[in-house]
Parts: sequence; structure tokens; C-alpha cells
Amino acid sequence: NAGVTQTPKFRILKIGQSMTLQCTQDMNHNYMYWYRQDPGMGLKLIYYSVGAGITDKGEVPNGYNVSRSTTEDFPLRLELAAPSQTSVYFCASSPRTGNYGYTFGSGTRLTVV
Amino acid sequence: KQEVTQIPAALSVPEGENLVLNCSFTDSAIYNLQWFRQDPGKGLTSLLLIQSSQREQTSGRLNASLDKSSGRSTLYIAASQPGDSATYLCAVNSNYQLIWGAGTKLIIKP
Repeated sequence: NAGVTQTPKFRILKIGQSMTLQCTQDMNHNYMYWYRQDPGMGLKLIYYSVGAGITDKGEVPNGYNVSRSTTEDFPLRLELAAPSQTSVYFCASSPRTGNYGYTFGSGTRLTVV
Repeated sequence: KQEVTQIPAALSVPEGENLVLNCSFTDSAIYNLQWFRQDPGKGLTSLLLIQSSQREQTSGRLNASLDKSSGRSTLYIAASQPGDSATYLCAVNSNYQLIWGAGTKLIIKP
């Protein structure tokens, strides 16, 4: 089925470890986004990309890095994991910004201990 | 700075009732507003998208309205069912970013 695919679904990291959250979409969307959702809160934008090779910071980028080498893939890298990064991470895509809807992946639940 | 608020934070109603969820935003300069459903441990499902030029959108038992001048949107659910139990999030597309409310957790009692 067409959509946004995120892996892994769950992960436990130790403080100081690193990992990459994978995100792939097969809808040929130009725009891709990474959000985090903390308990009882709305989603916060970490990074976004308007096309291959172009990325920009969102509201909460510290501690994360992204790359966009292809239209389909938008991985999120966590370096030196900290307990404050315990959260649920969502990847999303949209054909453009403005008057277009977003499609979300099923999320990655990350715990840093 | 755009801020989005959803009230109430939680709502519990008997099955069969009609109900309204509220979303308010501080800046009326928006592209669109989306309502999402989130089930525990799962991703977000888009329910309805209202463009800034529209007043409402309908899908099945769901109806969403938008009043930009007052900074409000409502999600109306008719004849509620236990399967409607979930957290409902609204998100405003403002300045090329989605700004989110914290959600309303809805429980429909059989």
C-alpha cells in the first residue's frame, strides 16, 4: 500500500548511543517532515525537507540530524542519545506545502535509558 | 506565534450521543486545518482537511467546521460508537508548518 513507512517501530537506547530512524514514502511527495510527540502534548517539528538535497530546521532540532539524498527517503539521526529524547517520532510527507494534506507514518517509540 | 488549543483534554460520553470537539487558534492567517485521529500506539489518520476558503467538510458521521475570523474549528461526531474512542488532534497549517493542539482523548462508553 502506498504511504509512509517508518522503521523501527520500537527501540530502547542507552544514554550516549546513536541510531538512525528510517522513513520512506512512495507517493513522490516533495515535502517530508520529522515530528516528535511527548506524552499529552502536540507534535513538534524537528526537521523538514522540501526536496532531495534540501533540509531545514524545525522547532526542536537540537540533538538530531537529517539528510535527503533521494525523494523517497528521509532518515533522522540521533547522536549521543539523551533521556530527553525519549518520545514517539513521526515521519510525514506532503506533495507541497500550503493547501495540501499530510500523510503520516505509524511512528517509532524510542526510549533512552 | 501561532498557538493551537483543544478543549476539553478528555471527554467520556455514552454510545449514541452526538458530540463536538473544539479547536482554537490564535492567528487567522492559515492555509488549512486538519483533524486527525490517533489510536494508542499507532500513527495518525487524517480525518478531514478544511481549506482556508472553506467553511466545513463532511465525511460520513464526521463534520468539521472552520471559522477563521474567530479562530475556531469544531469536529462534530454524530451517533458516536465505541470504535470512535481515540485521541483527536487538530493541526493548523500556518506559515508552511503544521502547528498542533495537544488533542482531546475521547472515550465512548458502550
